Amino acid sequence: KAGVTQTPRYLIKTRGQQVTLSCSPISGHRSVSWYQQTPGQGLQFLFEYFSETQRNKGNFPGRFSGRQFSNSRSEMNVSTLELGDSALYLCASRFGSGNQETQYFGPGTRLLVL
Amino acid sequence: AQSVTQLGSHVSVSEGALVLLRCNYSSSVPPYLFWYVQYPNQGLQLLLKYTSAATLVKGINGFEAEFKKSETSFHLTKPSAHMSDAAEYFCAVSQYGNNRLAFGKGNQVVVIP
Repeated sequence: KAGVTQTPRYLIKTRGQQVTLSCSPISGHRSVSWYQQTPGQGLQFLFEYFSETQRNKGNFPGRFSGRQFSNSRSEMNVSTLELGDSALYLCASRFGSGNQETQYFGPGTRLLVL
Repeated sequence: AQSVTQLGSHVSVSEGALVLLRCNYSSSVPPYLFWYVQYPNQGLQLLLKYTSAATLVKGINGFEAEFKKSETSFHLTKPSAHMSDAAEYFCAVSQYGNNRLAFGKGNQVVVIP
C-alpha cells in the first residue's frame, strides 16, 4: 500500500501571499490531520477532517484553513503569509477517528516564507 | 488538558550502550501513548504505541516502552544503540474525546561510535 503523500515537498513564498498544500492519505483512510512543526514550538495540531467534515481544530488563526474531498484527499490553505509561518507541515491519515488508531505521517511540505 | 514532557532535547549515547528516553504524560483520563521517530527530511514513523492491552510494549527496530500509571511515565528504551538510531524521537498522547495528538518537544539522539 502506498503511504501518505504530500505535494509539493518544498515551497518558497513571500509575505502576504497565500499557499495551498495537498495531502493524499493511505488508500481507505478517511481521517486526515494536519500538524505544523517548527524548531521553537515543536509539533502543533492544526485540524482534522473526517468524511469531508472538520472534526477538530487547533489554536491557529483563521488564516489557516483546510478541506477534504470525497476521495479523502485534503488540502490546507494559508492566506496572507507571515514569516512565522515558515515550517514543516505534516499530514497524517488513519482509517477511522479512534484515539487509539495509529496516525501515519507523510514526508511533509517544507514552507519558507521570505 | 493532555500533555507530555520530554526532558533533555539532545541525548548522546555510545554505540552499543543503552538508549533511554523519558516521557511523562499528563492526562485526566487513561491515555493512549505513542513514540514516533523522525529521520532528517522525513515525516514521523511510528515506533510503538500503548493502548492498555499490555504495559510493556515492543516496537520496531528493537525499541520497547513500559507504561507506568503510578509514575505517569512511558519511557522508551533500546538495549544496544546502533548508528542508525540517530534521529529525533517524539512522545505523543491522545485521549478519549480528543482526537488530536499532543507531542513532546522531542529528543535528538546522537550515537557516538
